[in-house]
Amino acid sequence: EDKVVQSPLSLVVHEGDTVTLNCSYEVTNFRSLLWYKQEKKAPTFLFMLTSSGIEKKSGRLSSILDKKELFSILNITATQTGDSAVYLCAVERRGDKIIFGKGTRLHILP
Amino acid sequence: EAQVTQNPRYLITVTGKKLTVTCSQNMNHEYMSWYRQDPGLGLRQIYYSMNVEVTDKGDVPEGYKVSRKEKRNFPLILESPSPNQTSLYFCASSPSGSDTQYFGPGTRLTVL
Repeated sequence: EDKVVQSPLSLVVHEGDTVTLNCSYEVTNFRSLLWYKQEKKAPTFLFMLTSSGIEKKSGRLSSILDKKELFSILNITATQTGDSAVYLCAVERRGDKIIFGKGTRLHILP
Repeated sequence: EAQVTQNPRYLITVTGKKLTVTCSQNMNHEYMSWYRQDPGLGLRQIYYSMNVEVTDKGDVPEGYKVSRKEKRNFPLILESPSPNQTSLYFCASSPSGSDTQYFGPGTRLTVL
């Protein structure tokens, strides 16, 4: 059965800390891995990863995919209170099925 | 098992033929929402509902209707589908609007 597992489920850190969020998957016919940030409303898209070892970066956020070990990490450096959110990982399968993980709830303390 | 279900999972239809995609959750969640996912655009919210008989527009509500007559169901209605509504649709629910949302498996809709 296809699955996407995120860890930790919840994380509390102080402003300025660096955090690493994990996403592992077991999915047949893998096409891409997606990261979303979910605040009060709809999740906002962060990254799409399709190739191993190529880091994607956007400001303080970065992500990388390991297709051999079947996982991805999302790094946030110099965290700010505005980074508090639920971070969702999803894997897109060929055939357009998308499987979402349950998310990591990140809380940044001022 | 706690879950969000959607039906149908795949649908091919023609322009102008009314259709309904059903969404049901068994977690007694108050908040439900519909999204569409298009390549390069990520998830975009269509409509959401904070509770029974309370619905509101998301970012891309044009061409869609919803209803929330009971807590567990939140159908998405396309009165007159058009090809630009070809997309992958997700229903989601959560205990409240600020909680992690549980997503359904998705409905792939093609409008010819």
